[in-house]
Amino acid sequence: GEQVEQRPPHLSVREGDSAVITCTYTDPNSYYFFWYKQEPGASLQLLMKVFSSTEINEGQGFTVLLNKKDTRLSLNLTAAHPGDSAAYFCAVSVNYGSSGNKLIFGIGTLLSVKP
Amino acid sequence: EAAVTQSPRSKVAVTGGKVTLSCHQTNNHDYMYWYRQDTGHGLRLIHYSYVADSTEKGDIPDGYKASRPSQENFSLILELASLSQTAVYFCASSGTGDEQYFGPGTRLTVL
Repeated sequence: GEQVEQRPPHLSVREGDSAVITCTYTDPNSYYFFWYKQEPGASLQLLMKVFSSTEINEGQGFTVLLNKKDTRLSLNLTAAHPGDSAAYFCAVSVNYGSSGNKLIFGIGTLLSVKP
Repeated sequence: EAAVTQSPRSKVAVTGGKVTLSCHQTNNHDYMYWYRQDTGHGLRLIHYSYVADSTEKGDIPDGYKASRPSQENFSLILELASLSQTAVYFCASSGTGDEQYFGPGTRLTVL
């Protein structure tokens, strides 16, 4: 079945630096991809949904790149600030036929942004 | 207003005891999910449901049961709680089966 590998597990950057988190997945037919943010002690918040037909999505302060050829998904926080400190999870949607879809999550990246 | 709520938010249980975690959603979503979160494992799917009165096994169902009595409610049941089930449990709902919206989580400690 689908497997998702996320790296790095821990990332520490200075305020204003960029931070890049990468996920690789195994099923080249995967269609939907997601990034979630989890602040300490909180729930998971959906950051972005990426379709297979979209290569680059931009949000507030971050860029998501999908490379279908290399089955790789990345999240780039372009100028990190302390408020970005959180755990980030990628997820890949897997179809279960009539039972619907499920998400396969990476193990997460704990990002620390120091002033 | 929170669309996915969980109760209790925190619970301490004894080994061998029965634990019921409850989830309620007001999103009018068909799909509901139960995950557990452990350090180093991310989120792992325990059970899910795509219609009331029906549940499906996820990736790690052993030791857990689920119940979906209505579209809005989805419960996770630990009949005989064990130390290894100490974790944070998240419920989520989804309309299409793709993007999922998570509840606040329940921190379960089994002693």
